Amino acid sequence: EAAVTQSPRSKVAVTGGKVTLSCHQTNNHDYMYWYRQDTGHGLRLIHYSYVADSTEKGDIPDGYKASRPSQENFSLILELASLSQTAVYFCASSSGRSDYTFGSGTRLLVI
Amino acid sequence: TQTVSQSDAHVTVFEGDSVELRCNYSYGGSIYLSWYIQHHGRGLQFLLKYYSGNPVVQGVNGFKAEFSKSDSSFHLRKASVHWSDSAVYFCAVSPSSNMGYKLTFGTGTSLLVDP
Repeated sequence: EAAVTQSPRSKVAVTGGKVTLSCHQTNNHDYMYWYRQDTGHGLRLIHYSYVADSTEKGDIPDGYKASRPSQENFSLILELASLSQTAVYFCASSSGRSDYTFGSGTRLLVI
Repeated sequence: TQTVSQSDAHVTVFEGDSVELRCNYSYGGSIYLSWYIQHHGRGLQFLLKYYSGNPVVQGVNGFKAEFSKSDSSFHLRKASVHWSDSAVYFCAVSPSSNMGYKLTFGTGTSLLVDP
């Protein structure tokens, strides 16, 4: 079954540390996205990609980097984690002009 | 820039009741409109979408939504809810001409169905 798998499911990180969130899709989709979810804000787009080896900034890219080494994999990198980056992060894939398939989310707590 | 507004943060109904979850958007061009459902602690799941044609769109589990250009709305409805419909519902829009097909989400409506 086609799916989007995120790892880890949850993580506790120290302020100033580096965090990498991983996403793997088996949908054969070209587009992949990283969103963060905060209470009262819905989901906000951080970075996205429509082809391997290329990433684009979303609406709130500051403090985040992204990497798309292959069609299947898309990572979100927090070089210097901050308290304000505590949130739930969702990865999604899409073939374009279609519904998104979301992963189950990564719950990140920065202390 | 497109925006999405979901005016009701919380809606509570009894099992068997009908429900309408409201969504209004603003954007000057052609767009895709969709609804997603998020059960507690889970990722979002696609419910239905609209781009053109019949303004009433049927989705899974008895959900349907109606597009209105004059009202800039895309409200979600269900005739008879079940307790398992309790979840957070997100309306989303994407410009049809946008490279990347990026979705902009509303803040969500939490639906609680009392058994």
